[in-house]
Amino acid sequence: QVQLQQSGAELAKPGSSVKISCKASGYTFTSYYISWIKQTTGQGLEYIGYINTGSGGTNYNEKFKGKATLTVDKSSSTAFMQLSSLTPDDSAVYYCARGTGYNPLAYWGQGTLVTVSS
Amino acid sequence: DIQMTQSPASLSASLGETVTIECLASEDIYSNLAWYQQKPGKSPQLLIYYANSLNDGVPSRFSGSGSGTQYSLKINSLQSEDVSIYFCQQNYDSPYTFGAGTKLELK
Repeated sequence: QVQLQQSGAELAKPGSSVKISCKASGYTFTSYYISWIKQTTGQGLEYIGYINTGSGGTNYNEKFKGKATLTVDKSSSTAFMQLSSLTPDDSAVYYCARGTGYNPLAYWGQGTLVTVSS
Repeated sequence: DIQMTQSPASLSASLGETVTIECLASEDIYSNLAWYQQKPGKSPQLLIYYANSLNDGVPSRFSGSGSGTQYSLKINSLQSEDVSIYFCQQNYDSPYTFGAGTKLELK
């Protein structure tokens, strides 16, 4: 069965970076894009961007350009999102999900809680 | 970016009742609209895609409709397990924006 397994919770200091992983299984990794979504209590769900798992090509929400960097490792069927120059506003649950515009997000990871605090 | 206005923000209904949640897009999204259900502490789950297509395994009491800029999610014969937050998302144009969510509770 299709599964997306995300890395564990992160506690980070302001100004630092974190890298979240999303390991896919149960399907051909390069057949579907991976999207990333931010969820906060106040802002709801925000679409960060997606990565073409075959080519590594990316598309970012303008709001997250310079904040998020999406990469993939095809050999391990894993997608990554690095968040840089962290501030308390980056504290949220981050999800990876399989799909993008033409393939709705039918499978989601369990979420990774990122807490930014000094 | 396409703005998605979802209403109501919260909804209280009785078991067996029919409820409707609406989503209004700021421009025509040509039925590229999905609905998700999120239970506390869990990831969102896809219910409906392309406005009216039921995802595999989703009970038939859920249905979606709409076109252009106006869309709705209907839940017939409300069950206790339907207590959740529901989100719409347009997947017509990146960034694929979400509605703010509707919290559905039992009366």
